Amino acid sequence: EVQLVESGGGLVQPGGSLRLSCVASGFTLSSYWMCWVRQAPGKGLEWVANIKQDGSDKYFVDSVKGRFTISRDNAKSSLYLQMNSLRVEDTAVYYCARVGLAAGTDKYYMDVWGKGTTVTVSS
Amino acid sequence: IQMTQSPSSLSASVGDRVTITCRASQSINTYLNWYQQKPGRAPNLLIYAASNLQSGVPSRFSGSGSGTDFTLTISSLQPEDFATYYCQESYTTPVTFGQGTKVEVK
Repeated sequence: EVQLVESGGGLVQPGGSLRLSCVASGFTLSSYWMCWVRQAPGKGLEWVANIKQDGSDKYFVDSVKGRFTISRDNAKSSLYLQMNSLRVEDTAVYYCARVGLAAGTDKYYMDVWGKGTTVTVSS
Repeated sequence: IQMTQSPSSLSASVGDRVTITCRASQSINTYLNWYQQKPGRAPNLLIYAASNLQSGVPSRFSGSGSGTDFTLTISSLQPEDFATYYCQESYTTPVTFGQGTKVEVK
């Protein structure tokens, strides 16, 4: 079964750090771009970051640039999100997702999602 | 790119035909996906590249459109379809989602 399982969420004070992990199973992680998407309480979806198969390309939403880093360890089938200088507005459920590609095109989508891990930033 | 969905919510009955619209602030060709999300659950991909049905998704779901205007249609609403639906463009980085459309029981 194709599956993603996130962990590492929790309660942290403003200015603190957390490292989220996502373990993939049922497919070869190294074959796919991967991403993180978050959802603040009662709000919509917001793409946070993505990373190329070999980790050589990474992109971030402006609001987290310079504070969050994304990385992967394909040998461990794992994706990571290091979050530093956390702010109250980073409070959200964080999902990792696999990035699929429509055959013969560059049109991509998120086709496999984890159940999410909750990050709460509060004093 | 800004993605605007309409309506923000709608009330419908089982068996109804439901249409949700998504408009992009600039042309995105067919770089448009649709997701369904139920409370407390992760999003689920329904449609990719504007009109392609994801494997395992019931055929009552369909997508259409190109350029700036897109539509998600549920041909006959089923009890399990009451949920929030999001469009998402993949034309640029960062990708952006619409604000969501909540489909509620009438």
